Amino acid sequence: GAVVSQHPSWVICKSGTSVKIECRSLDFQATTMFWYRQFPKQSLMLMATSNEGSKATYEQGVEKDKFLINHASLTLSTLTVTSAHPEDSSFYICSARDRVAGGQFFGPGTRLTVL
Amino acid sequence: QKEVEQDPGPLSVPEGAIVSLNCTYSNSAFQYFMWYRQYSRKGPELLMYTYSSGNKEDGRFTAQVDKSSKYISLFIRDSQPSDSATYLCAMSASDSGTYKYIFGTGTRLKVLA
Repeated sequence: GAVVSQHPSWVICKSGTSVKIECRSLDFQATTMFWYRQFPKQSLMLMATSNEGSKATYEQGVEKDKFLINHASLTLSTLTVTSAHPEDSSFYICSARDRVAGGQFFGPGTRLTVL
Repeated sequence: QKEVEQDPGPLSVPEGAIVSLNCTYSNSAFQYFMWYRQYSRKGPELLMYTYSSGNKEDGRFTAQVDKSSKYISLFIRDSQPSDSATYLCAMSASDSGTYKYIFGTGTRLKVLA
């Protein structure tokens, strides 16, 4: 149980394009999902907290117009990187909180490379 | 001072050794304590989830929480090369709603065959 999927697992895009990343909780309901960014050999950096049916809460320094988050259902949250630039290249990981059993479970991550 | 402190390592041990990984924290409101394992280029995997103080054992893994000292530990017995990964501690005052987990920076562990 407690499986979180992410799609795609990796993506390469041209500068200026937008990229959408999906995060799904497969066997539990997640009222709250979190989006993280991780640079090589560094720890997780929380970008935003996503709540089902409401606006996401962004961490200080994270541009909400650049990183659009939609949490449309109890099992799906999406992160759209708009007008991506090379500096947005990173490993993006989502996690979902199991609202019944507790705990926070991570997806496998999405590696974004912007050329 | 960071809310959660964790030695980044790397920590190298021979196969079969007992590994001790630790985190200290400053926020006395933390009640939930977690350990995650992260392999390179993968998402973190939840290993241990504990509430309040005490010990919890799962196979070769034992988690200890000492709230009086604001100190948590993860012990790995009979370590294997497959245990080589980065171990992240995480903690939170609550595990509901929008409470965030506060993560340590992670300790890189290498188990040598």
